[in-house]
Amino acid sequence: DTEVTQTPKHLVMGMTNKKSLKCEQHMGHRAMYWYKQKAKKPPELMFVYSYEKLSINESVPSRFSPECPNSSLLNLHLHALQPEDSALYLCASSHRDRQRGEKNYGYTFGSGTRLTVV
Amino acid sequence: KNEVEQSPQNLTAQEGEFITINCSYSVGISALHWLQQHPGGGIVSLFMLSSGKKKHGRLIATINIQEKHSSLHITASHPRDSAVYICAVPPWFGNEKLTFGTGTRLTIIP
Repeated sequence: DTEVTQTPKHLVMGMTNKKSLKCEQHMGHRAMYWYKQKAKKPPELMFVYSYEKLSINESVPSRFSPECPNSSLLNLHLHALQPEDSALYLCASSHRDRQRGEKNYGYTFGSGTRLTVV
Repeated sequence: KNEVEQSPQNLTAQEGEFITINCSYSVGISALHWLQQHPGGGIVSLFMLSSGKKKHGRLIATINIQEKHSSLHITASHPRDSAVYICAVPPWFGNEKLTFGTGTRLTIIP
């Protein structure tokens, strides 16, 4: 299995809703990422989990809450979002090599969840 | 911070043409990624390369570490190649932050 699977593919939610995005990989990757991508822009890093611990939070508002329950799963919990949070949310994963100075390789991206906040 | 520049920003070509997309970066790296994104879709990793050249089907990627430059070539282009092509670089040491280029929007006309 060489894929990163994201569900759902599309999500429409109101500003008072609570929803979650899910990401799963079975490649043994120990780094997992959430990116946000607005139309015609490159992806922007939101969070990084390394060995199931949060290692980077790019000053993301608390209405986005990541969770890494195990080495294969990554969730993004959403609450009280704003219309400007509408975007494509991409998950990615990569190998981390502790014996090579923690270099990352084998980046694999998911197909994304297209989120619309109404 | 690594500055990553791609050219051209937009490229329209006829089916069958040979396509070249360029990527330059400002700081030495250990590897470079080429990514493909179809309209409204997720990102597909095409290549990760740290030296020389890699080939996969009609796609060829080259990198010159000394000149801090990489190219992505598509031979016998096809309308299904129409997509945004993005190069991305990690920092030299094991930090997870990729720096993305602004992308090249490729349109292949039948």
